Amino acid sequence: ETGVTQSPTHLIKTRGQQVTLRCSSQSGHNTVSWYQQALGQGPQFIFQYYREEENGRGNFPPRFSGLQFPNYSSELNVNALELDDSALYLCASSTRLAGVGDTQYFGPGTRLTVL
Amino acid sequence: AQSVTQLGSHVSVSEGALVLLRCNYSSSVPPYLFWYVQYPNQGLQLLLKYTSAATLVKGINGFEAEFKKSETSFHLTKPSAHMSDAAEYFCAVSGTGPARQLTFGSGTQLTVLP
Repeated sequence: ETGVTQSPTHLIKTRGQQVTLRCSSQSGHNTVSWYQQALGQGPQFIFQYYREEENGRGNFPPRFSGLQFPNYSSELNVNALELDDSALYLCASSTRLAGVGDTQYFGPGTRLTVL
Repeated sequence: AQSVTQLGSHVSVSEGALVLLRCNYSSSVPPYLFWYVQYPNQGLQLLLKYTSAATLVKGINGFEAEFKKSETSFHLTKPSAHMSDAAEYFCAVSGTGPARQLTFGSGTQLTVLP
C-alpha cells in the first residue's frame, strides 16, 4: 500500500510568481485536504477536495486554488505569491466514513520559500 | 467552532521518565480528537484517535491518551520516554462541517534528555 506522496520536496519562488504543488493520495482514499504550516505553528486548513469538487475551505484568499483528478490525486495552486506564503504545505488523504471522525493521513510536505 | 489548546510549547523529560503532553479542547458537540507527531523536516504521523468508543485510547509507540469530558482534556502520555520520542506533537479536533477539517493546536516540542 502506497502512502501519501507530494512533489516537489522543496521549492523556491520569488514574490508575484505562481506555484503548483502536487499530491497523490493513499490507495483507496477519495478525499484530499491541504494544510499550510508556517514555521513554529500548527497546520492550518486550506481546502478539501472530494470527488473532484471543493468540499470546504478555510480562511485563505482565492489566489489559493486546487484541483482533484479522477484518480483522486490533487494540485494546490497559489498565484501572486507573497512572502507570507513561505511555509510547509501538507497534503492529507482520507476516506469519508459516515458518523466517524475521518482519519487523515499526511504526506511529507512541500517546503515553499518565497523570496 | 471547535478548537484545541496545548499547554506548554516545550517539554523536557529525562530518558525513562513519564511523558505528559497536555491538550484541552473546546467543542459544542462530542469531538473527534487526534494526536499527531512530526519529526524534523517530515509530515505528520498519526499517533492515536478518539472517536467515543473508549475513553482510554492506545496508540503507536507506547503512547496513550485519556478523554475526560468533565475536564475537556485529552492529554497524551507515555510511561517511559525514549530518545527517539523527541519530536513535535500536535493535538487536533475534527470539524463538524462538510470537510470535517482538522483544527490543530500550536504544538508541543518534546525534548528527551539522556
